Amino acid sequence: GESVGLHLPTLSVQEGDNSIINCAYSNSASDYFIWYKQESGKGPQFIIDIRSNMDKRQGQRVTVLLNKTVKHLSLQIAATQPGDSAVYFCADHSGGGADGLTFGKGTHLIIQP
Amino acid sequence: KAGVTQTPRYLIKTRGQQVTLSCSPISGHRSVSWYQQTPGQGLQFLFEYFSETQRNKGNFPGRFSGRQFSNSRSEMNVSTLELGDSALYLCASNAQASANTGELFFGEGSRLTVL
Repeated sequence: GESVGLHLPTLSVQEGDNSIINCAYSNSASDYFIWYKQESGKGPQFIIDIRSNMDKRQGQRVTVLLNKTVKHLSLQIAATQPGDSAVYFCADHSGGGADGLTFGKGTHLIIQP
Repeated sequence: KAGVTQTPRYLIKTRGQQVTLSCSPISGHRSVSWYQQTPGQGLQFLFEYFSETQRNKGNFPGRFSGRQFSNSRSEMNVSTLELGDSALYLCASNAQASANTGELFFGEGSRLTVL
């Protein structure tokens, strides 16, 4: 079936560098995309969202880019800090709403000192 | 403002038993969703309730059920437990009336181990 997936299970970056986490989706009906962060032992925490009528949205130190042509979503984290270490999930929702959010498998972001 | 509260945090059951998990959403949130998280399948949508009505349902067998009370608190039940039901069960509440908008606020989950 159609699903949201992430390209890499693990991403290691140096503290202070920028991180880019990628996600590909296949459901052309997806109209709403969200990034979540999950720290060990905790539930997922909302980071940023974007609707399909936008191609870029910025938050505090984070930017989400949406390329509908190739069905690709990315999360950019500027000046990565130790506290950014977590598993990052992309999720999408199609307009029908019957299936809740569809989550990708997650990318574990590791921050190296 | 208190976050989403899930109880119990940890529990161990044996095959064939049943389990009930509880979720108290953020005050004022009327939408409650449940997700199952496993290492192999990741986060999978179970069901969503709004104003005591199940609005959406994921692709899980009928052994998985839920309900929502008038105070928006929700419970989910798994009957005839199987080893594969071992997972972290996450509850999320949403302030938005529409199922496909807005930020989901997750609890810390109930970790179920089936022996």
